[in-house]
Amino acid sequence: EAQVTQNPRYLITVTGKKLTVTCSQNMNHEYMSWYRQDPGLGLRQIYYSMNVEVTDKGDVPEGYKVSRKEKRNFPLILESPSPNQTSLYFCASSPGLAGRTDTQYFGPGTRLTVL
Amino acid sequence: RKEVEQDPGPFNVPEGATVAFNCTYSNSASQSFFWYRQDCRKEPKLLMSVYSSGNEDGRFTAQLNRASQYISLLIRDSKLSDSATYLCVVRNAGNNRKLIWGLGTSLAVNP
Repeated sequence: EAQVTQNPRYLITVTGKKLTVTCSQNMNHEYMSWYRQDPGLGLRQIYYSMNVEVTDKGDVPEGYKVSRKEKRNFPLILESPSPNQTSLYFCASSPGLAGRTDTQYFGPGTRLTVL
Repeated sequence: RKEVEQDPGPFNVPEGATVAFNCTYSNSASQSFFWYRQDCRKEPKLLMSVYSSGNEDGRFTAQLNRASQYISLLIRDSKLSDSATYLCVVRNAGNNRKLIWGLGTSLAVNP
């Protein structure tokens, strides 16, 4: 089944404790991105990657890191989480420039709470 | 002015009603347009792309008006299962494939 998976789905942590949210897609998509969704602010892009070893900042990259060592994986790293990073996080992928569609395929989301 | 604006609603309609949402965008160079559906606390899913000529998929019709810079979504014969938030999405010109997301319009279809 074609899908985007994220783990963990729910996470409660404390300020300053490094964490990684994993994202994996099995559709051989070139383009992957991370969003956060907050009430009243909608979906905001954190980072995106157009292909392996190519990453770039989105609209709200501060406090986050990403890597794209393999095509299928795009982990989101919070080196020192703070309470303002409490949010619902979505990973998404799409075929990229080689594809004919802009359809974004989203993972199920990770609800993160930073105390 | 926001790049993509939607009426947040909520729109409360009875089953069987016809309901329409509009979405305006500010960048006249925008290239692609979409409607996504998001159920509460779930991931967004593509509902339909919006083509210049307009397009229809069953009870759903999407239209684009480039001159006035808005897109619309019409839902006919509303079902309870149509209750969701509908997100308007616009892709600007350029190669980074950046998508601009509206905040969404909430629809509640009531029995």
